[in-house]
Amino acid sequence: SQQGEEDPQALSIQEGENATMNCSYKTSINNLQWYRQNSGRGLVHLILIRSNEREKHSGRLRVTLDTSKKSSSLLITASRAADTASYFCAGSNFGNEKLTFGTGTRLTIIP
Amino acid sequence: NAGVTQTPKFRVLKTGQSMTLLCAQDMNHEYMYWYRQDPGMGLRLIHYSVGEGTTAKGEVPDGYNVSRLKKQNFLLGLESAAPSQTSVYFCATSRLSYEQYFGPGTRLTVT
Repeated sequence: SQQGEEDPQALSIQEGENATMNCSYKTSINNLQWYRQNSGRGLVHLILIRSNEREKHSGRLRVTLDTSKKSSSLLITASRAADTASYFCAGSNFGNEKLTFGTGTRLTIIP
Repeated sequence: NAGVTQTPKFRVLKTGQSMTLLCAQDMNHEYMYWYRQDPGMGLRLIHYSVGEGTTAKGEVPDGYNVSRLKKQNFLLGLESAAPSQTSVYFCATSRLSYEQYFGPGTRLTVT
């Protein structure tokens, strides 16, 4: 079964606006990662946040983690057309060798 | 460096035929993974390996076998293909429990 579920399933915004995606997961995690997938391509790692961290930034990306609510959010600021992609969260359980992916959010940036 | 490569990129099989998908990496990563991606399902782990000569089952291992005879290669075999195995297959590698690096995918259709 899927570890995480992203919300919303699909999101369309105007270029320049901010995009927020949410992820909820079921079991305790050691870290949570976000990945991007452009159509027809493999996934690309964006950012990793550990269970003892609450917020992390990388360029235009901001990720938060609330372990008490078993949820995470990904914020992309000042969106660009090139940000159009599907975004997946993935949790790593203690033991660490496996990731369990959510079902993804399809983000469309309208020029 | 090529990173993670997958062979072939596309394949059409008839029900009952067999085939092997090859994943090769030049990143010297210990961990390797095979996922399948179906519409609306995100990525599901088929099998994985934490080192040369080791393999383990993931979430959806039935109908697949794997081998990791060399550190840089991870093979996924379908002994008797079924239409339910129509999917896009991704290989990924990682160093211990950190971010995973994905190959470009193999699109398999079983008729």
